[in-house]
Amino acid sequence: NAGVMQNPRHLVRRRGQEARLRCSPMKGHSHVYWYRQLPEEGLKFMVYLQKENIIDESGMPKERFSAEFPKEGPSILRIQQVVRGDSAAYFCASSPRRGTGSDEQFFGPGTRLTVL
Amino acid sequence: TQLLEQSPQFLSIQEGENLTVYCNSSSVFSSLQWYRQEPGEGPVLLVTVVTGGEVKKLKRLTFQFGDARKDSSLHITAAQPGDTGLYLCAGTSPTGGTSYGKLTFGQGTILTVHP
Repeated sequence: NAGVMQNPRHLVRRRGQEARLRCSPMKGHSHVYWYRQLPEEGLKFMVYLQKENIIDESGMPKERFSAEFPKEGPSILRIQQVVRGDSAAYFCASSPRRGTGSDEQFFGPGTRLTVL
Repeated sequence: TQLLEQSPQFLSIQEGENLTVYCNSSSVFSSLQWYRQEPGEGPVLLVTVVTGGEVKKLKRLTFQFGDARKDSSLHITAAQPGDTGLYLCAGTSPTGGTSYGKLTFGQGTILTVHP
């Protein structure tokens, strides 16, 4: 029973480059959440996706950030033209079904993004 | 915007002592989850409480959900060095609206248990 997998675990980019973060949910889970943890801050919700659908992107910056969860393959969080302020740990969590209050989210190990 | 205030932010105690971490909000949550996070890793789910007034025990850890489902506490009895870590509370919003399902996290409590 593999848990939530994220890769890469560490990613270094220069300002202006693109960062692609991948998340494979737990087997049987069709709901994916992305969170960001900035240094010295708590985790903040970014986006909630189901297969091929973005359900809630209220926590996503309006520009440069996008997310997808295709029918086949992992969920991707894409950051274009990265800036130093994007440096953070990005966590993916998966859930077996839509959050109904008692549904639990299981987190991956995170991707640590460093922008030089 | 729902907020969760977690306290204390830092806690440094000796092995064998008891401690309590609090998580408070002015908003109602459908459920509240407690996580523990080690450096360089993702949060690991400890427990989920759903019903107002609910109490759950996990070995030396006792979790309580307030009657009004606005607050929660984590109590550790006879803390051990292995309990050292970052403890996070997170709430799930009530049904309805687009906030359905996402977690709102507290700022976290960094616990250090000295041998």
